[in-house]
Amino acid sequence: ETGVTQTPRHLVMGMTNKKSLKCEQHLGHNAMYWYKQSAKKPLELMFVYSLEERVENNSVPSRFSPECPNSSHLFLHLHTLQPEDSALYLCASSQDLQRERNEQFFGPGTRLTVL
Amino acid sequence: DAKTTQPPSMDCAEGRAANLPCNHSTISGNEYVYWYRQIHSQGPQYIIHGLKNNETNEMASLIITEDRKSSTLILPHATLRDTAVYYCIVRDSGYSTLTFGKGTMLLVSP
Repeated sequence: ETGVTQTPRHLVMGMTNKKSLKCEQHLGHNAMYWYKQSAKKPLELMFVYSLEERVENNSVPSRFSPECPNSSHLFLHLHTLQPEDSALYLCASSQDLQRERNEQFFGPGTRLTVL
Repeated sequence: DAKTTQPPSMDCAEGRAANLPCNHSTISGNEYVYWYRQIHSQGPQYIIHGLKNNETNEMASLIITEDRKSSTLILPHATLRDTAVYYCIVRDSGYSTLTFGKGTMLLVSP
């Protein structure tokens, strides 16, 4: 247990569906992240939030829409996805953005399959 | 971020030391070396980080060469549970994001 939980753990959706991934951290951290891990590719950073404000958006298509209502919760809203969006989506948190150690704690991930 | 180069895979016998190398020849003076690992189907886990000096914690030791162009992560007594992909990452201290490469797949065998 890392203190970061993600739900659901597995999700299968059609291309016309709308779904949301949820992440919650119980560590009192101020920064949260979404990563995507496709098969046989490195982890890709998607979004970074600090104190509920988005500070980085790495050219992610608009069919992925993040939301950070408070420092403990992070959502990734999904709509009209493509089969190539099938991947493991990982959430992480860290104390804040400007620390030397910047240990990021990762959740277990959501395995997403788009049909 | 400076790029890192790691071997794609390594093998280690259980109980022996695992030495994982990383090259980061373009590292700059304010960039730290971080190591994370990812066990199959789990999220990555922080192991250790350093700037210039060698570092040790309960999980591993980090040896950084004097010119800082390479480093080695040492797991002193590898166990089967250490089988994972190990990522060496160079990161500027002033900003937090991590850029993961392909890492080294370490297989620990009985």
